[in-house]
Amino acid sequence: KQEVTQIPAALSVPEGENLVLNCSFTDSAIYNLQWFRQDPGKGLTSLLLIQSSQREQTSGRLNASLDKSSGRSTLYIAASQPGDSATYLCAVGGYNDMRFGAGTRLTVKP
Amino acid sequence: KAGVTQTPRYLIKTRGQQVTLSCSPISGHRSVSWYQQTPGQGLQFLFEYFSETQRNKGNFPGRFSGRQFSNSRSEMNVSTLELGDSALYLCASSEGRPAEQFFGPGTRLTVL
Repeated sequence: KQEVTQIPAALSVPEGENLVLNCSFTDSAIYNLQWFRQDPGKGLTSLLLIQSSQREQTSGRLNASLDKSSGRSTLYIAASQPGDSATYLCAVGGYNDMRFGAGTRLTVKP
Repeated sequence: KAGVTQTPRYLIKTRGQQVTLSCSPISGHRSVSWYQQTPGQGLQFLFEYFSETQRNKGNFPGRFSGRQFSNSRSEMNVSTLELGDSALYLCASSEGRPAEQFFGPGTRLTVL
């Protein structure tokens, strides 16, 4: 059974800092990995999708990498802003389902 | 394209009642998945429907059920509500499997 872990559970940084969020998974037989952002009480917003054949994806200030062999993905956020404050979840896509980590709650202080 | 929509956005029910939640996927998406999110358990998969057929089911009791219509809209039903069913219920649509999932805003269910 796929287990997804996100470390740290919470992170607080000053505005402008570059930061890395981590996601690890136990079964490397995945189809894709997706990073989401969730604001309090809201739904999930898709940030980046990495297919299993890819190593990384970039969108604006966000860069996500995938290393299937080691069961790890990272989400890099450059020049963080207070508007980036949210919970970030990674989800590992198998053929039959998608498994979510518990998320990292990010606070960017002005 | 319009995003995934869920109705209602908020619901308050009492124990023992039943509830039906609705999800309209992005146009052209044939897969709809449902998730329950609680502070203690995080996001848990309920079930997935594709072309009106339940394709996968999570580890939830039979009180949780769903269906999908020919226009891909989906409903989930919870019967005999319990206090522990209070949660944010999210649906996600995708073109198929495996594919990028797009989530709706959720339905916040409170059971008193």
